[in-house]
Parts: sequence; structure tokens; C-alpha cells
Amino acid sequence: AQSVAQPEDQVNVAEGNPLTVKCTYSVSGNPYLFWYVQYPNRGLQFLLKYITGDNLVKGSYGFEAEFNKSQTSFHLKKPSALVSDSALYFCAVSLMDSNYQLIWGAGTKLIIKP
Amino acid sequence: DSGVTQTPKHLITATGQRVTLRCSPRSGDLSVYWYQQSLDQGLQFLIQYYNGEERAKGNILERFSAQQFPDLHSELNLSSLELGDSALYFCASSVASGGKLGSPLHFGNGTRLTVT
Repeated sequence: AQSVAQPEDQVNVAEGNPLTVKCTYSVSGNPYLFWYVQYPNRGLQFLLKYITGDNLVKGSYGFEAEFNKSQTSFHLKKPSALVSDSALYFCAVSLMDSNYQLIWGAGTKLIIKP
Repeated sequence: DSGVTQTPKHLITATGQRVTLRCSPRSGDLSVYWYQQSLDQGLQFLIQYYNGEERAKGNILERFSAQQFPDLHSELNLSSLELGDSALYFCASSVASGGKLGSPLHFGNGTRLTVT
């Protein structure tokens, strides 16, 4: 079955330290990959995407993500965490079918401590 | 501001009742999606419309139905409500269908439904 996994329910990082939120997928073909962020009481916001090309993609708020085809991973990273980065992060993968249906990870809660 | 408008923001109703949630997509977007987010944070895909036609169905209960109107706004109807239907319901829109062309989804701020 095609799936997206975010293996960590929660990630705790000290402010100023680098952060990584993990995402792996099991999808046939060469899917499109996305990261979204959800702040409390708000809808999800698009952060970045990978379609093709450079394996390191840059997005909003200083975030970047590294695509690794051999490991079928798309980890979200930031060199220096801010307290304001604390939020819920979702990884999504687009199936390469006729409808490009999205499959979502379960979400990872990121907590940045001052 | 995502440009996606959802009304109402909050809804409190009793079991057995029926409610309608409304969504206006971002200008120019043809696809509308409905998602349910429960307290344990999971995002559950319900249904997708593209330019008025149903395109994909997720884990949508038979008690739930949706439609997209000619002006592209969408409504999600929830009937015979149960306590377990209490959740945050999100609408999202995109210019293309699904993740085609890498087009991102734009989410509204949701309708918080409480069934008592």
C-alpha cells in the first residue's frame, strides 16, 4: 500500500539549534513531495515542494528539505530553530495517478524551547 | 491570508442534527478539498471536487455529502451527527487537481464542530 510516514510524533529542539523533521514514503513512480505547517487554530500553510531537479529545496521561513531517492525520504530542516517555529508539520506526497491524489503523513509536533 | 474562506468558524449542535459547512475557494482555484482533523491531530481526507465534478473520495461517511456549485464554492453537509463527528473541518483549494504540476493546496482556517 502507498503510504507516507512521519516517524516522530514530537520533536523537541533548543532555540538556535538545527532541526530536522523526518518524512519517508512508499509510493510508486516519482511523486511530488510537499511540506505544510499548521499553527494553532489555523489551517495548514504550504512550506515547500520537490518536483524535480536539485535535491535540496528551499521554502518559506528559512526551511529547506532534502530529497533522497534511494532512501525515499524528504526530511525538513532548518539550520537554526526559532521559538516561533513551534507548530505541527505535515509531509504530503502526490500519487502519480490521473488525479495526483495527495497522501498525508500523520504530522509531527515541533517544540522549540527557549 | 490563504484566500480560502470558511463559514462558520464555530458550530455547536446536538446529536442527530444536520449542519452545512461552507467554503469559498481562492480566486482562480478550480479544485476544492474537504478534510477532517480530529483531536489526535490526524488529517483525514474526505472528498475532492474539480470544477464542479467529484474527483476523489476518501473516508467520507455516508452521512456526509458535499457538492461544488457553478461559482465554485462548496458545501459539506453532515447529517445524523454523532459525538465522534466533533472535529475541525478544513476546506482547501488548488488551481490544479491534487498535486498536479506541484500546485500547493491553500487551506482555510477551518470550522470547529462540536456535537453535544
